[in-house]
Amino acid sequence: TQLLEQSPQFLSIQEGENLTVYCNSSSVFSSLQWYRQEPGEGPVLLVTVVTGGEVKKLKRLTFQFGDARKDSSLHITAAQPGDTGLYLCAVLLTGGGNKLTFGTGTQLKVEL
Amino acid sequence: NAGVMQNPRHLVRRRGQEARLRCSPMKGHSHVYWYRQLPEEGLKFMVYLQKENIIDESGMPKERFSAEFPKEGPSILRIQQVVRGDSAAYFCASSPIPAREQYFGPGTRLTVT
Repeated sequence: TQLLEQSPQFLSIQEGENLTVYCNSSSVFSSLQWYRQEPGEGPVLLVTVVTGGEVKKLKRLTFQFGDARKDSSLHITAAQPGDTGLYLCAVLLTGGGNKLTFGTGTQLKVEL
Repeated sequence: NAGVMQNPRHLVRRRGQEARLRCSPMKGHSHVYWYRQLPEEGLKFMVYLQKENIIDESGMPKERFSAEFPKEGPSILRIQQVVRGDSAAYFCASSPIPAREQYFGPGTRLTVT
């Protein structure tokens, strides 16, 4: 059983469309991170959310941390081909040292 | 400020050979983490090191795998007697302090033939 379940697993959309991907768990976290990984590269940190209900915006990307700090969502407005990549949520487990536990990932493809 | 550097970017080894993966953390970062990414398993933690110390190796396979981060030079992930199941992308990350924000390198793609 995965600690962090992401949905959908795959998403293929046209440029200009909006989309939302989800990261869900039954556990409570003190913070949660979102990464984007492009083919052949390492994950790049997009945002860290800390407070329940927190909303952070990064240009066309909007991140929300659930009120109970068990889940998070990433919404992309007017997707562009440059948004293509693997989106990963991740948490640092309490008492787990400094190791990140990653979600199952959402593979996004934005086509012209 | 250069990012995390890993080399080689691609490594091909025959079964039974040794693989050595190198990671140079960002300048000023003394904490290094290794992760492995398998298509069917996702990105998984392997080991956390500080200079000259292994802090957490709970994700490392018990045999054939070892890691070090010497006082001078890069961190090394060493895989002895590689098997096909070791084929994966290996990522190194670093941070200046024990922190939730870790900066990842581009990875080493290991292929075992």
